[in-house]
Amino acid sequence: NAGVTQTPKFQVLKTGQSMTLQCAQDMNHEYMSWYRQDPGMGLRLIHYSVGAGITDQGEVPNGYNVSRSTTEDFPLRLLSAAPSQTSVYFCASSPPAAPGTGELFFGEGSRLTVL
Amino acid sequence: QQPVQSPQAVILREGEDAVINCSSSKALYSVHWYRQKHGEAPVFLMILLKGGEQKGHEKISASFNEKKQQSSLYLTASQLSYSGTYFCGTGEYGNKLVFGAGTILRVKS
Repeated sequence: NAGVTQTPKFQVLKTGQSMTLQCAQDMNHEYMSWYRQDPGMGLRLIHYSVGAGITDQGEVPNGYNVSRSTTEDFPLRLLSAAPSQTSVYFCASSPPAAPGTGELFFGEGSRLTVL
Repeated sequence: QQPVQSPQAVILREGEDAVINCSSSKALYSVHWYRQKHGEAPVFLMILLKGGEQKGHEKISASFNEKKQQSSLYLTASQLSYSGTYFCGTGEYGNKLVFGAGTILRVKS
């Protein structure tokens, strides 16, 4: 049982480059979300989805796009990377569609550095 | 808006107790607690739902005051393995689960 899988685990980008962080879960969870973690800031919600075809913005959505074409996948796209996006990114999923009503299962994280 | 956690950091000796608090300005329907070790993903400890339902580990206890939008995590007889950063997450109406900045707990022998 793989759980929540994030790729890549490490990535270095130059300012202005674009990339996609992949997130896949094999637990048939309706709710999926992306957080970024910076020192002293905790986990900040970027985008979330309550099911295929449905996405919404979190606390810090600027500079990021998401889509949810299947239940399993929830990729996070950085359109034009900036040094301020240097962070550790976590994908998390939960069984119920209503966020906050079930345990969050986290991926191992993706460490992104933007030069 | 992120919930506010207190204290920001606490140092304990093995066997001592600690309380970590979480407060929000928004109406909540749930509070989550997670622990994160350095370089690892957060791990689920407990969820408290409006109406009194709780789900989580048997050795962890917490409270949720729905009227005050506050929650507390109680760590008793601390062990070295309790060290880490503790996050509370608050489920807000309007479909968001947001986390606080965390409380760093260090247990010394």
